[in-house]
Amino acid sequence: GAVVSQHPSWVICKSGTSVKIECRSLDFQATTMFWYRQFPKQSLMLMATSNEGSKATYEQGVEKDKFLINHASLTLSTLTVTSAHPEDSSFYICSATRGTTSTDTQYFGPGTRLTVL
Amino acid sequence: SQKIEQNSEALNIQEGKTATLTCNYTNYSPAYLQWYRQDPGRGPVFLLLIRENEKEKRKERLKVTFDTTLKQSLFHITASQPADSATYLCALEGETGANNLFFGTGTRLTVIP
Repeated sequence: GAVVSQHPSWVICKSGTSVKIECRSLDFQATTMFWYRQFPKQSLMLMATSNEGSKATYEQGVEKDKFLINHASLTLSTLTVTSAHPEDSSFYICSATRGTTSTDTQYFGPGTRLTVL
Repeated sequence: SQKIEQNSEALNIQEGKTATLTCNYTNYSPAYLQWYRQDPGRGPVFLLLIRENEKEKRKERLKVTFDTTLKQSLFHITASQPADSATYLCALEGETGANNLFFGTGTRLTVIP
């Protein structure tokens, strides 16, 4: 199978601090990784797409300076929420694909619950 | 931009019956459509992909149809079981054909024993 892990699974932080979330593909090399955000009872919203070794592509409305994405290797991508505020509290989920075509299966991580006090 | 609607927020059915979930989309017609299962507090799990030139696809107790004229996909679970209780999401490829997905809001299915 294709397993994607996320760390931490949940985090609580104070307003104004930064939080880093890791996404790892455990048994395959991920050419592309995606970051999503999901608010309660809402759909997954794509935040950004990242390819190893290049800058992430952010969706409209997502602040790239606030949500820093680093995809340094084929098995690791990180999302850093800088100067987090209560409105950033959400469920953050990453996914990874082996290839770059539009029909490649996305394998999702278990998600990270962020609560900003 | 694409708008994706799933028929209802919640659906309750009796064990053994067939559950039918609907996904409607507007604007551009995607080359394919995917269905995922999401359990509470977990990431989605891929179930099925159906392409625009496929009318129907099956996988065990699951069946998906894709009607590009109606801009609709139906997702069926036959002989439903309580373990099928989850939220089911449909997802379409991005408008540019890039390998990103846009998700519907999901339908929370509860199978009653």
